[in-house]
Amino acid sequence: DTEVTQTPKHLVMGMTNKKSLKCEQHMGHRAMYWYKQKAKKPPELMFVYSYEKLSINESVPSRFSPECPNSSLLNLHLHALQPEDSALYLCASSQDRGGNQPQHFGDGTRLSIL
Amino acid sequence: QKEVEQNSGPLSVPEGAIASLNCTYSDRGSQSFFWYRQYSGKSPELIMSIYSNGDKEDGRFTAQLNKASQYVSLLIRDSQPSDSATYLCAVKDSNYQLIWGAGTKLIIKP
Repeated sequence: DTEVTQTPKHLVMGMTNKKSLKCEQHMGHRAMYWYKQKAKKPPELMFVYSYEKLSINESVPSRFSPECPNSSLLNLHLHALQPEDSALYLCASSQDRGGNQPQHFGDGTRLSIL
Repeated sequence: QKEVEQNSGPLSVPEGAIASLNCTYSDRGSQSFFWYRQYSGKSPELIMSIYSNGDKEDGRFTAQLNKASQYVSLLIRDSQPSDSATYLCAVKDSNYQLIWGAGTKLIIKP
């Protein structure tokens, strides 16, 4: 069982919908990440939060909006997505952003845009 | 442009044999190296971390690091069909960014 929990596991939404992806970890990690992964490709970094502050935004379109309410929670708010945004969305956490610690992934949310 | 390179495969190995997966990286200042296993439709799972030159063993898995050659490898002994997956090499560069290889698809033939 993963120690990073993502909900929902699957999400189907229309292009005009608003939805949110949620991620929770209870390992005391201070860095949390959102990745997007397309089939047969490696994960692609979207956002990094370090000590609850956004430290990296990899030029992600504004239809994706991250939020870190506290050190254990990370949300990704979705609005007016496009069909090409269909992908596996992965949340990860690590002890902190620097140093040698690995990132641990949740099971992901499979997102389909109609 | 910092890069991590892996052969995309597929790499086909008979059951019970040793599978050898290789990865090269471009940033000589990299300090942390990771191997993740990813089954189709699932999320990446950390299987090995290595930080210093030499070998690190964990059960059937051995990670090898050679910083002079900028090369990291993963050996899987006594390969099982359940080892069939895509193996992703990830390298934390000198700016603490995690750079991913494209992954090697491994197929273990019964």
